[in-house]
Amino acid sequence: QEKVQQSPESLIVPEGAMVSLNCSFSDSASQSIWWYQQHPGKGPKALISIFSNGNKKEGRLTVYLNRASLHVSLHIKDSQPSDSAVYLCAVNPSSSFSKLVFGQGTSLSVVP
Amino acid sequence: ETAVFQTPNYHVTQVGNEVSFNCKQTLGHDTMYWYKQDSKKLLKIMFSYNNKQLIVNETVPRRFSPQSSDKAHLNLRIKSVEPEDSAVYLCASSLQGLGQYFGPGTRLTVL
Repeated sequence: QEKVQQSPESLIVPEGAMVSLNCSFSDSASQSIWWYQQHPGKGPKALISIFSNGNKKEGRLTVYLNRASLHVSLHIKDSQPSDSAVYLCAVNPSSSFSKLVFGQGTSLSVVP
Repeated sequence: ETAVFQTPNYHVTQVGNEVSFNCKQTLGHDTMYWYKQDSKKLLKIMFSYNNKQLIVNETVPRRFSPQSSDKAHLNLRIKSVEPEDSAVYLCASSLQGLGQYFGPGTRLTVL
């Protein structure tokens, strides 16, 4: 069964800092890997996804995937207080395209 | 903008009661899901439906039963709730399994 672990558990950074979030997964044959953002009292919102080894950039977000090391990271450039939220890493396991397996999340606080 | 709608937002009930949650999506997606999010924010899938057919049924207690009338609606019924059922229940939808869109959730408190 796919396992997804995130680190750190929580993070506090000053406004404008670069934020790096980590996620490890157990199945090298897993399909897409997603990053979601969840604000308090809201449902998760998809930010960015990646399938192939390498990196993908969208606006202030860059995601890096290394299937050999079973690791994916999300980097947020020029962080803003509005980026304060819980970030969830989610994996489409190879055993089932129809579900996501989530990590426990990283709580990010960006202070002005 | 919300395209996955859930009702109610909150529900407080006693142990042993029956509850039902509703979910509707207006995105034209073909697959809908129910997830449970515990107090530590961990999300776990419970069920997945594709065009009204059950395709994922994780190990959940038998008191939980999903109901789908069409591909835009997926409801969840819990017969005889237990204290451990207290959680946020999140509905999501996707098109052919890609990019799941979540609703705002229903927070259940069992006293």
